[in-house]
Amino acid sequence: NAGVTQTPKFQVLKTGQSMTLQCAQDMNHNSMYWYRQDPGMGLRLIYYSASEGTTDKGEVPNGYNVSRLNKREFSLRLESAAPSQTSVYFCASRENWREYYGYTFGSGTRLTVV
Amino acid sequence: ELKVEQNPLFLSMQEGKNYTIYCNYSTTSDRLYWYRQDPGKSLESLFVLLSNGAVKQEGRLMASLDTKARLSTLHITAAVHDLSATYFCAAPRTYNTDKLIFGTGTRLQVFP
Repeated sequence: NAGVTQTPKFQVLKTGQSMTLQCAQDMNHNSMYWYRQDPGMGLRLIYYSASEGTTDKGEVPNGYNVSRLNKREFSLRLESAAPSQTSVYFCASRENWREYYGYTFGSGTRLTVV
Repeated sequence: ELKVEQNPLFLSMQEGKNYTIYCNYSTTSDRLYWYRQDPGKSLESLFVLLSNGAVKQEGRLMASLDTKARLSTLHITAAVHDLSATYFCAAPRTYNTDKLIFGTGTRLQVFP
C-alpha cells in the first residue's frame, strides 16, 4: 500500500546511545517532516525537508540531526539519546509545500530512553 | 510566535448528542487543518480549510473557518461511538509557509 513507512515501530535506548529512525514514502512527494508527540503537547516539528538535498530546523531541533538521502527517504538521528527524547516520533510527507492538502503520516516510532 | 489552542481538551459525550470543538490561533493564517488520531495510531487528515468562511462536511463532522476571529470549529452532529478519538487542529507557523503548528488535541469519548 502506498504511504509513509517508518522503522522501527518501537525502540528502547540507554542514555547516551545513538540511533537512526528511518522514514520512506512511495508517493513521490517533495516535502517530508519529522514531528514528535508528547502527552498534552500535541505535535512539535523537529526538522523538515522541502526537497531532496535541503533540510531546515523546526520548533525543537536540538539533539537531532536529519538526512534527506533521496526523494523517498528522510532519516532522523539521535547522536546521544537523553530521557527527554522519550516520545512518539512521526514522519510525514506531502507533494509540495504549497500543496493545500493535509500531510500523510507514518505509523510512528515509540522511543523510550532509560 | 503562533500559538494554537483547542478547547475543550477532553470531551465525554453521549451518543446522539451534538457538540463543538474550538480551535483558536494567535496570528494571521491562510489555512487551517483538522486531523484525527485513534489511540496508538497515526494521524489521519480530516479537513483542510483554505479561506475565510470555508465550511467542509464529512459524515457527522463539519468544520468551519473564521480567519477574522482566528477561529475554527469542528462540529459533531449526533455523535456515535466510532467518533471516539483525539482531534487536532493545526495552522501554518507563519503566513504562506508549510511548517504546521498543532494544537494540544481534544480527546473525545462517546458513550452509549
